Amino acid sequence: GNSVTQMEGPVTLSEEAFLTINCTYTATGYPSLFWYVQYPGEGLQLLLKATKADDKGSNKGFEATYRKETTSFHLEKGSVQVSDSAVYFCALGSNYQLIWGAGTKLIIKP
Amino acid sequence: ETGVTQTPRHLVMGMTNKKSLKCEQHLGHNAMYWYKQSAKKPLELMFVYSLEERVENNSVPSRFSPECPNSSHLFLHLHTLQPEDSALYLCASSRPGQGGNTGELFFGEGSRLTVL
Repeated sequence: GNSVTQMEGPVTLSEEAFLTINCTYTATGYPSLFWYVQYPGEGLQLLLKATKADDKGSNKGFEATYRKETTSFHLEKGSVQVSDSAVYFCALGSNYQLIWGAGTKLIIKP
Repeated sequence: ETGVTQTPRHLVMGMTNKKSLKCEQHLGHNAMYWYKQSAKKPLELMFVYSLEERVENNSVPSRFSPECPNSSHLFLHLHTLQPEDSALYLCASSRPGQGGNTGELFFGEGSRLTVL
């Protein structure tokens, strides 16, 4: 069946560091892939998405590329800020459902 | 502000109580969802309503009872809960036929439930 695996957190970085949060998936067919973010005390928000292989989603300085050959959708940002501290969820869309990763908590220290 | 409002934000209840969670959206969406978020576990989809008809029920215990009186409102009625039901309950909405394939769900801030 379909599944999503994210790197375990927490991930702790200093401000302006480079960020990578790994996400891999297993799926039949050609699902859409997503990153959602949950800031403290809030619900989830769609951060970016990609709907087909080699698509790159980007938003707020974050990027992720849909890699079919490695079944991956890693989240990257070149220079993180304290305000990026949150929990990040990778998700796969298939058959009108979203399959969620467990989430990765990101802590950015000034 | 995502356009999806959940009340109450926090709820403490005993195992014999009956309470309800409310979700409201004025985004013109026709699909609404209840998710359960527990610590260190993936988000669990509980119920999906599309055009006010329940289209998904992921083996949720009967002590959770959803209600969707119209396309703008969704309730989760709670009765005789267990301590392991303590979690953050998230409501979301989407345009019909878009929620799964496009992933564009709009979430509320959640209702933090504690069962004593």
